[in-house]
This record gives sequence, C-alpha cells and structure tokens, in this order.
Amino acid sequence: GDSVTQMEGPVTLSEEAFLTINCTYTATGYPSLFWYVQYPGEGLQLLLKATKADDKGSNKGFEATYRKETTSFHLEKGSVQVSDSAVYFCALRYNTDKLIFGTGTRLQVFP
Amino acid sequence: SAVISQKPSRDICQRGTSLTIQCQVDSQVTMMFWYRQQPGQSLTLIATANQGSEATYESGFVIDKFPISRPNLTFSTLTVSNMSPEDSSIYLCSVRPGDSSGNTIYFGEGSWLTVV
Repeated sequence: GDSVTQMEGPVTLSEEAFLTINCTYTATGYPSLFWYVQYPGEGLQLLLKATKADDKGSNKGFEATYRKETTSFHLEKGSVQVSDSAVYFCALRYNTDKLIFGTGTRLQVFP
Repeated sequence: SAVISQKPSRDICQRGTSLTIQCQVDSQVTMMFWYRQQPGQSLTLIATANQGSEATYESGFVIDKFPISRPNLTFSTLTVSNMSPEDSSIYLCSVRPGDSSGNTIYFGEGSWLTVV
C-alpha cells in the first residue's frame, strides 16, 4: 500500500545552518505531496505542497521538489532559525482526501 | 482556505468515561476526517465522517469506540467512549474545502485529551 518514509530525528542544528529532511514515498499512482509542521503545543499546519512531478512547493523559506524519478519530496531550508524548531511531517494524498503521514521528524535549532 | 474550530481544546478525563469532541468549519465541505496522534507518534486516520450516511472507519477503529456524527456540511463530532489511558492523544479534525484552494487539506488545532 501507499506509504511515506521520513528520516528519523531529532535533527539538531545551529541557527543559520542548512536544513534537509528526507522524505520518500511509495504509491501506485501520482499522489499529491505535502509537508505539515507542528510547533510545540500546537496543532498541524500546512507548510507547503506539490501536486505533480517537478513541482516545487515553497513557504517561509522552506522548499521541497516533487521528484518522481526518485519518489522523493525532501524538505530544505537555507538558513534555519530557532523559531523553526518543530516536528515536520511529510504526507501524501492519493485519489481521495485521506492523507498518509510519515512518522515525523523533530527539528531542534539552537542559537 | 478553511477555518476549523475544535472543542474542547484540552481536557483531562477519568478512566471509563466518554467525551465528545466537536469540529466546526466556516464553510461547507463534502467530507471531514478524524485523525488521532498518540504521544510522540504520527497521525493515524480514524474515520471519514460522511454527511447523510454512516462514517467510514479505518482498520483498527470501530464505531462502538469512536462514534461519529455528521448532521450537516459544516459540523461533526467524534466521541471517545469508555476511555482508558491508551486513548490519551491529540484528536484532529481535517477537511478539504471545495473552493479555489485546490486539494489542500486543513486541520483543526486538535483536542488534547489526557485520560487518568
């Protein structure tokens, strides 16, 4: 069945470091891909999305490119801030409105 | 976009009791979903709340434990019945609005339940 695999955390970085959180997926068709973020003590917020191959989603300095050939949707940011500390979830949506989530990656950014 | 309000936002519940969580959306939506996020875990779909028909439950979730109502296109409730400490989780409502936001799925801020 469809699934999402994320790199395990926590990812610990210093402020202004480069961030990559890996995400790969397995799906029988062409899903839409999403990154959601959960800040401490809060609910889930959509960070960015991509609906077809080679699309690049971007928001708040974060980017992710839908790579069909590698079935990946890695999240990147050039310079992280302390305020980016959160749990990041990769997810896919295929054919229906249901989302399949990865296990989440906790990012900790220190000054 | 969609604005989703959940109540309660947090609660501490006694073992053996039941609690109903409400989800109100600011626009009409075709389907609403309920997810569970156990401590330190990812999100798992509990069920799809269908307006005018019974909810559709995912494997491992049953109606007796998680009864769902969907009286109209903007409102749904999820009841967690006969709670045990294992039910301590965040319960999230999600929707896909039928507007120009495309296939974006939005989430409420969640209802954080602790069972003691």
